[in-house]
Amino acid sequence: NAGVTQTPKFQVLKTGQSMTLQCAQDMNHEYMSWYRQDPGMGLRLIHYSVGAGITDQGEVPNGYNVSRSTTEDFPLRLLSAAPSQTSVYFCASSYAEQGSTEAFFGQGTRLTVV
Amino acid sequence: KQEVTQIPAALSVPEGENLVLNCSFTDSAIYNLQWFRQDPGKGLTSLLLIQSSQREQTSGRLNASLDKSSGRSTLYIAASQPGDSATYLCAAFYGNNRLAFGKGNQVVVIP
Repeated sequence: NAGVTQTPKFQVLKTGQSMTLQCAQDMNHEYMSWYRQDPGMGLRLIHYSVGAGITDQGEVPNGYNVSRSTTEDFPLRLLSAAPSQTSVYFCASSYAEQGSTEAFFGQGTRLTVV
Repeated sequence: KQEVTQIPAALSVPEGENLVLNCSFTDSAIYNLQWFRQDPGKGLTSLLLIQSSQREQTSGRLNASLDKSSGRSTLYIAASQPGDSATYLCAAFYGNNRLAFGKGNQVVVIP
């Protein structure tokens, strides 16, 4: 199993450009989420999904869109990139079964907006 | 809002000393807690997962405890080694499998 796969690993964007960060998992997990990690701020939740077709906002959703058309994929779209979106982005998937749950993370995407 | 605090933010210890890393959370409605390790510029590596029905988990030199009533978890690393130098992150599960992260304990083990 590949686990959680994020692409690309690195990206440089110009202010105002748009792009999509890809996230795919092969563990048939219901739950998927996106976090950003900034120095001194820790990891913060951007958007999350509890299943195909269902998404919701997290703590810092502004400037980002998500969709979940399949169980496997959860792309994160930056509509018009801003320097404040320079960060490391992590995608996670998790399961919940009879009180047991565990999160699995991708290797991250390091995004720089200039 | 679920908040997670990790103390101390940074610490340096001589090799061989035991490490004690603390994590506290504001809402006892968390249902599980997971500890991660992160090396500089790298991703998150899962270390230990504690289910809400458990009070502790052990893996090799690592032991993590969870006390939901007091809102605390502790990660113990026995006989620290230079290879243990990293940032350790505590993450609490709450509604819809969302995770609330602490800002981390940055550890340096001095040979």
